[in-house]
Amino acid sequence: QSVLTQPPSASGTPGQRVTISCSGSSSNIGSNTVNWYQQLPGTAPKLLIYSNNQRPSGVPDRFSGSKSGTSASLAISGLQSEDEADYYCAAWDDSLNGPVFGGGTKVTVL
Amino acid sequence: EVQLVESGGGLVQPGGSLRLSCAASGFTFSSYAMTWVRQAPGKGLGWVSVISSGDGSTYYADSVKGRFTISRDNSKNTLYLQMNSLRAEDTAVYYCAKVGVSGWADFDYWGQGTLVTVSS
Repeated sequence: QSVLTQPPSASGTPGQRVTISCSGSSSNIGSNTVNWYQQLPGTAPKLLIYSNNQRPSGVPDRFSGSKSGTSASLAISGLQSEDEADYYCAAWDDSLNGPVFGGGTKVTVL
Repeated sequence: EVQLVESGGGLVQPGGSLRLSCAASGFTFSSYAMTWVRQAPGKGLGWVSVISSGDGSTYYADSVKGRFTISRDNSKNTLYLQMNSLRAEDTAVYYCAKVGVSGWADFDYWGQGTLVTVSS
């Protein structure tokens, strides 16, 4: 059972917009920034979004993040086949004194 | 270019020990906190431990506290994870990652991972 809650799967056709939710509590998302990671099949995770909505250099602008209260979301606009991956949210948890992850969402491009 | 290369994984019996290493290059290693994250086969990501850049403060997930020890050698640009009293549930790919500037859940660079299998 992950501290942050994500839907296990999401899907869309090429060009569509897909949104992934991440639900937490006051001790994690409610008081700290959220980061998102993309893990392509068979590879190490990669930072996709940091500080709720910032993209590292090289990340396409069709990836965007937002946060409101104790929830966050990742949106993928103009879905492409290479976006098929697992996506994880993460935030520091003040009660656990460590970072916590969501269970991951597998995105499938139909 | 930032590079993180893990080593030291392998097959170990329950109750055994293993030391993982993570060789870092392409950035000023001593200036950044570093962390270990693991992923059991077919499962999600799980944080293991983090060590700060300054005073070397360490934090651990409850599941490994008292059994694992994170350390760093800034002269060798290397991060370590000493794992003792290993259990079957510690079987996972272990990734080292560099902590970014926006907080201790911001892992901006990751290694390729090293597989630890705990089995008799």
